[in-house]
Amino acid sequence: KAGVTQTPRYLIKTRGQQVTLSCSPISGHRSVSWYQQTPGQGLQFLFEYFSETQRNKGNFPGRFSGRQFSNSRSEMNVSTLELGDSALYLCASSLIPSGVEQYFGPGTRLTVT
Amino acid sequence: QKEVEQDPGPLSVPEGAIVSLNCTYSNSAFQYFMWYRQYSRKGPELLMYTYSSGNKEDGRFTAQVDKSSKYISLFIRDSQPSDSATYLCAIPPTNTGNQFYFGTGTSLTVIP
Repeated sequence: KAGVTQTPRYLIKTRGQQVTLSCSPISGHRSVSWYQQTPGQGLQFLFEYFSETQRNKGNFPGRFSGRQFSNSRSEMNVSTLELGDSALYLCASSLIPSGVEQYFGPGTRLTVT
Repeated sequence: QKEVEQDPGPLSVPEGAIVSLNCTYSNSAFQYFMWYRQYSRKGPELLMYTYSSGNKEDGRFTAQVDKSSKYISLFIRDSQPSDSATYLCAIPPTNTGNQFYFGTGTSLTVIP
């Protein structure tokens, strides 16, 4: 069974631009969560989607948004990029919302210059 | 107070050593306790998890939970260079709609 896939793997953007990241969960998994990972803050929860509905949201500004499609694939968007948005963005999938067994993709490394 | 706090390390040990990785948590309602391993430039992978108190063993890895002191540990016996990675403790939500909480990770290097 294929794992969680994320595209693109690497991105370089400039301040003020916007970016869209994509995540395809494990087949059969309907819950997708997004995280930001930085050396100083560790893994921080962004949001979780299940059946195209946002179930939970972390403490991030409104510039961070997401959505989920009927095939469970998910995208996250960051508008008006700031230098501090440089991070590894990880998505994780699970069978059910807030599922204990959560599987991560390889991440998208975003660099904002 | 953070929901889960982790000894930051880094740790550097010789091959064959026993490694102890530790976290504390704040909410006595937490019931599941997870450990993830993250290699450089990869996403975290689920290593093992325990429910409630006690020990769980999987090969060279043992996860231990002490709910009375809100302390969780991961022990690695006979450590190998391939164990060199960052280890993250994590606590899943107690209810649907809450979030996972992760420790900041401990970087481990096993020297051949």
